[in-house]
Amino acid sequence: GQSLEQPSEVTAVEGAIVQINCTYQTSGFYGLSWYQQHDGGAPTFLSYNGLDGLEETGRFSSFLSRSDSYGYLLLQELQMKDSASYFCAVSTNAGKSTFGDGTTLTVKP
Amino acid sequence: GAVVSQHPSRVICKSGTSVKIECRSLDFQATTMFWYRQFPKQSLMLMATSNEGSKATYEQGVEKDKFLINHASLTLSTLTVTSAHPEDSSFYICSASLAGRSYEQYFGPGTRLTVT
Repeated sequence: GQSLEQPSEVTAVEGAIVQINCTYQTSGFYGLSWYQQHDGGAPTFLSYNGLDGLEETGRFSSFLSRSDSYGYLLLQELQMKDSASYFCAVSTNAGKSTFGDGTTLTVKP
Repeated sequence: GAVVSQHPSRVICKSGTSVKIECRSLDFQATTMFWYRQFPKQSLMLMATSNEGSKATYEQGVEKDKFLINHASLTLSTLTVTSAHPEDSSFYICSASLAGRSYEQYFGPGTRLTVT
């Protein structure tokens, strides 16, 4: 089976940088994805890492180390609208994804 | 691009009745669709994987006779909750992906089901 661990809550101030870590245990690992979900809304795809290293998409970056079964999502220049839940998800060669329990990010002024 | 719609957004039904939820990919052909259930402040629990033209693959513990999934075309999958009970009340979300890209899923807005 698969298991993922990520912090349940993170708080930061506007303009700051925050890192949300995700460790996983899985068989048939294919890659690590990140999704954002605002309260009452649907998850939206943010990024994907299939190989080790850093992927950058604007203010958001995601990192993966396959040897450490570890990844993180880095959010820079935080804005109030970034307050949301962030889920890491492992995809496997079975063609599906398992989601972590989510990290609630609160951005304060 | 990559827009997924879901209908209805909210439904209230009486115990014992059946409810059908539709999931459509509007601007791409989704070879694979996924159905999730989400409880408040919790993660997304995968219920089943739906491939166009074939039977859905259900996750362990999900009753396939209770949660009927049909993926009739590359743009439409339906989930029917049969003989609904109050414990089936939840937020049901579908997602769609292109073939071999389950790591990049596009989600519908979800359906809030309340069974009274």
